[in-house]
Amino acid sequence: QITLKESGPTLVKPTQTLTLTCSFSGFSLSSHAMGVGWFRQSPGKAPEWLALIYWNDDKRYSRSLENRLTITKDTSKNEVVVTMTNMDPKDAGTYYCAHKRDAYSMWGQGLVVTVSS
Amino acid sequence: DIVMNQSPDSLAVSLGERATITCKSSQTLLYTLKNQTYIGWYHQKPGQPPKLLIYWASTRESGVPDRFSGSGSETHFTLTISSLHPEDVGVYYCQQYYTTPHTFGQGTRLEIK
Repeated sequence: QITLKESGPTLVKPTQTLTLTCSFSGFSLSSHAMGVGWFRQSPGKAPEWLALIYWNDDKRYSRSLENRLTITKDTSKNEVVVTMTNMDPKDAGTYYCAHKRDAYSMWGQGLVVTVSS
Repeated sequence: DIVMNQSPDSLAVSLGERATITCKSSQTLLYTLKNQTYIGWYHQKPGQPPKLLIYWASTRESGVPDRFSGSGSETHFTLTISSLHPEDVGVYYCQQYYTTPHTFGQGTRLEIK
């Protein structure tokens, strides 16, 4: 059974860096074709794809956020970490990580992040 | 970026009736070398993450009831619920995973009439 869980701060100040961790079980990110992606969602809006890391350390980023995002993996810990610099109130929302096998087949429950001074 | 356009934005269907949602992509999602079409469909209920229903355009995810089906090719796709159940209400999204960024449609809100 595959599970994922997001952790990190629920409140950050403007200009700060957000660091979120996705802890997962039930699959190995060293297995061929596996990936973990990050998304965010504002109320009433569709999810927004942010970043993706594959088993071979291939990394992909949202073009509009590329200069603010970094995604890394720790295969031994079954964790994927995403950092987003220079947070703004517009970056508030629910942040999800998800397992990518073909499509995104399993998602974490999400972490609500508020950006406020 | 590939743009995904869903229609309608909202839909009200009676219990037991058919619901149909369409999704159009701004470019083909068919990767001819693998003969695979890189589109998935998700269902989201309030306060929950999206749940994958269909991938490769027409493959039902394990555990998804067979009243859900996906069809289409290239740039035009359809999600059909053959007989609406109460638990099917919520928002449905299509998503392409042909190329990053893996973009979503704007969503279709499904309600019971």
